Amino acid sequence: KQEVTQIPAALSVPEGENLVLNCSFTDSAIYNLQWFRQDPGKGLTSLLLIQSSQREQTSGRLNASLDKSSGRSTLYIAASQPGDSATYLCAVPRNAGNMLTFGGGTRLMVKP
Amino acid sequence: DVKVTQSSRYLVKRTGEKVFLECVQDMDHENMFWYRQDPGLGLRLIYFSYDVKMKEKGDIPEGYSVSREKKERFSLILESASTNQTSMYLCATDTGHQPQHFGDGTRLSIL
Repeated sequence: KQEVTQIPAALSVPEGENLVLNCSFTDSAIYNLQWFRQDPGKGLTSLLLIQSSQREQTSGRLNASLDKSSGRSTLYIAASQPGDSATYLCAVPRNAGNMLTFGGGTRLMVKP
Repeated sequence: DVKVTQSSRYLVKRTGEKVFLECVQDMDHENMFWYRQDPGLGLRLIYFSYDVKMKEKGDIPEGYSVSREKKERFSLILESASTNQTSMYLCATDTGHQPQHFGDGTRLSIL
C-alpha cells in the first residue's frame, strides 16, 4: 500500500528565503506526482504535475523535482513571499487509476 | 479554466438527518471524486465516479452513498448523519489524466 509522507509538517521562514519542501513515497512505481496548494478553509489548487519520465517541472518561482528510484520529490520555492503562506500537499496516483494518495501536507508561513 | 462548484460552503445539520452535498463541474470531465479532510488524518477518498451511474468505493465509504445521474453533477449523501461525519468535504474532477481540480469545499457540522 502506497504511503506518502511530507516533512516538515510546518515551516516558518522570513520573507525572501529560498525553501524546500519534501515529499516521500514508499512505492516507486508511480505514474506521476502532483503538488497542490491549499489556503485556509479552501479547496486545493494544482501547482505542478511531474510525469514519471520527467525529472523536474517549473512554474514561475516554483520548481518540483522527482527521483522515483529513491521515492522522493521536492518542491523548491524561490524568494518566498507572504502570499506563499499556505499548506502544500503532494499526491501520487494509486496503480493505474485516478485515485490519489495524499501526503499530510506542510503548513508554510512566510513572515514579512 | 475548470470550475468545480460545491453547493454550500458551510452546512449545519442534526444527527439522523439525511444530508446531500452537491458538486457540479463545467468541463465535461469523466472522473469525479469526493474526499473528506480532517486534522491529523489528511485527505481521504470517500467515493469516485468514472462515468454516469458508475462509482467505486474509496477508503472510507461507510455511512455514505453517491449519485451521478448526469455527467456534470456528483452528489454525496449521508444517509443518517452522525457527529463523526463533521468534516470538510472536498469534490474534485479530472479528465482521466491528472491534475485534479478541486472545489472550495463544504464545511459540514453535525450537531
